[in-house]
Order: sequence, then C-alpha cells, then structure tokens
Amino acid sequence: GQQVMQIPQYQHVQEGEDFTTYCNSSTTLSNIQWYKQRPGGHPVFLIQLVKSGEVKKQKRLTFQFGEAKKNSSLHITATQTTDVGTYFCAPKTSGTYKYIFGTGTRLKVLA
Amino acid sequence: EAGVTQFPSHSVIEKGQTVTLRCDPISGHDNLYWYRRVMGKEIKFLLHFVKESKQDESGMPNNRFLAERTGGTYSTLKVQPAELEDSGVYFCASSLRQGIVEKLFFGSGTQLSVL
Repeated sequence: GQQVMQIPQYQHVQEGEDFTTYCNSSTTLSNIQWYKQRPGGHPVFLIQLVKSGEVKKQKRLTFQFGEAKKNSSLHITATQTTDVGTYFCAPKTSGTYKYIFGTGTRLKVLA
Repeated sequence: EAGVTQFPSHSVIEKGQTVTLRCDPISGHDNLYWYRRVMGKEIKFLLHFVKESKQDESGMPNNRFLAERTGGTYSTLKVQPAELEDSGVYFCASSLRQGIVEKLFFGSGTQLSVL
C-alpha cells in the first residue's frame, strides 16, 4: 500500500529561525494538500498543490511540489510562536478519491 | 456558516461496551471522511462517503466498526464491542469538490478512551 513519510518527526527551533518539513510518497500523486493542527485542535487546511514543480507562497510559508510528483515540502521563514503545531501533508494518489495523511512533523518554537 | 460538528467531544467506556460517534457535515457537502489519530501519531484514514454511498472503506480496522450515512446527511461510526486499542481521537471531515480543489473541513473530533 501507499506509504507517506514526513521528516523530521519533531523539530524545535528558536523564534526567528527557519523550518522545513518534507513529505515523501512511494507512489506518484495526483495532488497534495497540507494541513496544520494546533495542540488540542483539529487539522486546518493550508493549501493544495496540483502541478509538477509547483511553488505556492502564503506570507511566510512556501509550499513546493516535486517534479516527479512524489514529494513535497513546506518551508516557514522566520518562525513565530503562533507557528507551533503539527504539520501534515495529505496526498491523493492518482485513481483514488481519498486523502492519506502523512506521519506529521511536530514543530515547537522557543521564544 | 456552521462547521463540521462532532459529538460527543469525549467518551469514556469500558472494554466490551458499545459507542456511537456522530458527525454532522457542512450542509451541501457530498464527501464525508472518518479519520482516527491514536496516541498523537499519524492521522489514519478510515472511510469515505460520497452522499450515502461508501466510496472507500479500506481503512476500517475490522468488523467491530460500522459506519453509516443515512440519507447522505449526518454520519455515525459505531464501535461494538470496543477494545483498548480503539482509544484515540476520531475526526470527521467533509468537503465539496469544486473543480480540482477539494478542501477538507474537519470537526473538533471525539476523544474516545476505552478502559
């Protein structure tokens, strides 16, 4: 079956430092979404990437979809304490209708 | 606009008992998903409804789990009999496909503890 791994599993950064999480799939994807879950909260949609090599920006967040459509990354510039939470990628494989969630990267920002 | 509603928010039951979780999706959303997060780990897919039909139930752990979505509106997920390993947070999400974009809206989840 499809496997979706995210690295790192945990990341502690000082406020103001950058942060990147990587998502890798064993199969080619039709598209990929990213979600953020705050501690004690529920996943909240951030973005969807569809095209090979696509790059999208949301303020300090930069999302990238790999050329082969098997991997993706989320980069946060100059982290803030409000960025704390777990970031999940949620890819969809071609020919399926469901979104599988990655293992998640838990970010802790130290003030 | 009301969001996805789940209840109960918490449920504590003993092993062997039955529990039913309910999810009310956003009105008009045809797609409804159930996910489970155990011990703060990954969010695992359970099943997917399109209206009242089960599109994909490949993630359902075993036949102790039964999901329904009568009339294509709210959905229930019944666990009978509950086992210790069923503990976790059960999330429901709904969506409406608009072209190639399908944004999942999650409920606040049901924290299930099986003792």
